[in-house]
Amino acid sequence: EVQLVESGGGLVQPGGSLRLSCAASGFTLSSYAMHWVRQAPGKGLEYVSAVSSNGVSTYYTNSVKGRFTISRDISKNTLYLQMVNLRAEDMAVYYCARGWRYCDYWGQGTLVTVSS
Amino acid sequence: QSALTQPASVSGSPGQSITISCTGTSSDIGDYNYVSWYQQYPGKAPKLMIYDVSNRPSGVSNRFSGSKSGNTASLTISGLQAEDEADYYCSSYTSSNIRVFGGGTKLTVL
Repeated sequence: EVQLVESGGGLVQPGGSLRLSCAASGFTLSSYAMHWVRQAPGKGLEYVSAVSSNGVSTYYTNSVKGRFTISRDISKNTLYLQMVNLRAEDMAVYYCARGWRYCDYWGQGTLVTVSS
Repeated sequence: QSALTQPASVSGSPGQSITISCTGTSSDIGDYNYVSWYQQYPGKAPKLMIYDVSNRPSGVSNRFSGSKSGNTASLTISGLQAEDEADYYCSSYTSSNIRVFGGGTKLTVL
C-alpha cells in the first residue's frame, strides 16, 4: 500500500527555517517524480516544488526560488523540503504528492505557521 | 505561473449533472493533454479524480468524466450525489515545465 507521511511542520518566526519530511512507503522514490503542494488557510492549492524521478531536475514556484530546496534520500525513501527565510505568506498546510503529469497519491499534510 | 480559471462555485440537485470549467492558455491546457482534476473535502488531502484530460483512476466512479476543447478543460459529474459536495481543482502541465492549479470550485449539492 502506497503511503506518504509528512512531518516537520510547526510554528516558526518570520525569517526562520524549517525542514519538512515526507516518508514514503509502498513504492520507491527513485522511480517517481515528487511534488510539494501547499494550501494556505481557506485558500486553494499551489504547487511549490518538484523533483524528477532521477533526482536530476528540480522545479520551484517563483515565490520560493532561492529560499526553498527540495531533496530526497533514497536510502531512507524520504523526500524533503528545506525552507529558509520564511515569510507570513508561506503559512500553509504542506502536502507531498507522487507523480509528474498528475499526483496520484498524497500525504495528509503538515501545517507550517509563520508568526511572531 | 498564472493560475487556471475556475468558477468559484457551482451547484446542482441530486441526480442532475454539473460541469466545472477550467480555462487556461495555449501555454498550458491548450498545448498539453496533461490536465488532471482533484476532489478535496474540508480538512482532507486532495484526491485524484481525472488524469490526462479524461482518464479515471481505478476506484473513481464513472459518474466523473473529463474533456478538453482548446484552452478549456471540463469536469462533468453526472447523477449528482450528496457525497460529491466538495472542492474541485483542475491542474495542468505548462510550457515552463511546471504545473499550475485552478483556483478551485466549491460544489454544493442542493
